Amino acid sequence: SQQGEEDPQALSIQEGENATMNCSYKTSINNLQWYRQNSGRGLVHLILIRSNEREKHSGRLRVTLDTSKKSSSLLITASRAADTASYFCATDDLDAGNNRKLIWGLGTSLAVNP
Amino acid sequence: DAGVIQSPRHEVTEMGQEVTLRCKPISGHNSLFWYRQTMMRGLELLIYFNNNVPIDDSGMPEDRFSAKMPNASFSTLKIQPSEPRDSAVYFCASSPGNTIYFGEGSWLTVV
Repeated sequence: SQQGEEDPQALSIQEGENATMNCSYKTSINNLQWYRQNSGRGLVHLILIRSNEREKHSGRLRVTLDTSKKSSSLLITASRAADTASYFCATDDLDAGNNRKLIWGLGTSLAVNP
Repeated sequence: DAGVIQSPRHEVTEMGQEVTLRCKPISGHNSLFWYRQTMMRGLELLIYFNNNVPIDDSGMPEDRFSAKMPNASFSTLKIQPSEPRDSAVYFCASSPGNTIYFGEGSWLTVV
């Protein structure tokens, strides 16, 4: 079952603008990850943030995590046409013990217009 | 590093036929996952293996689906008999820890 919920479902912006996507989840977690999927391709890992971290940066990506609200956001700054893709959040489940199954959201489809 | 390798990349088959999807994980990764992705249901975990042993197959839709991992470098997902509702992209992925590395997917169409 999907526990991650990204919003918005779809986002269209102009090149150079910032894009913000949000993810909510339901269980206690060890970490939360963001992945990107270009059309017709497999998912690619972008960034992982641990439950004891509040913010993490990687290049033009900034991820925040609020465990009290069970939510995360992904900010892409100075967007480029090449950032056009679907973005997914995925969480583990702290209560699942050694089960390494990730729980995925349905994704945010981002279109960056040149 | 070649990444996760899946075959075939595309398959069109007739209802009732057996379909076998193949996967070679990244060397050294001890976990392997089979996912299915559709527009309606998104990304669904079908089964995952840890050190070649199936750990969680609760996502396997029904007895028509089976998966094997005979060794650390090879896994198969079999659908027999196939049905039109099995049409989807099937991803294999492997992981050494938290991060999951996906293959490019096998695009299955059952007509």
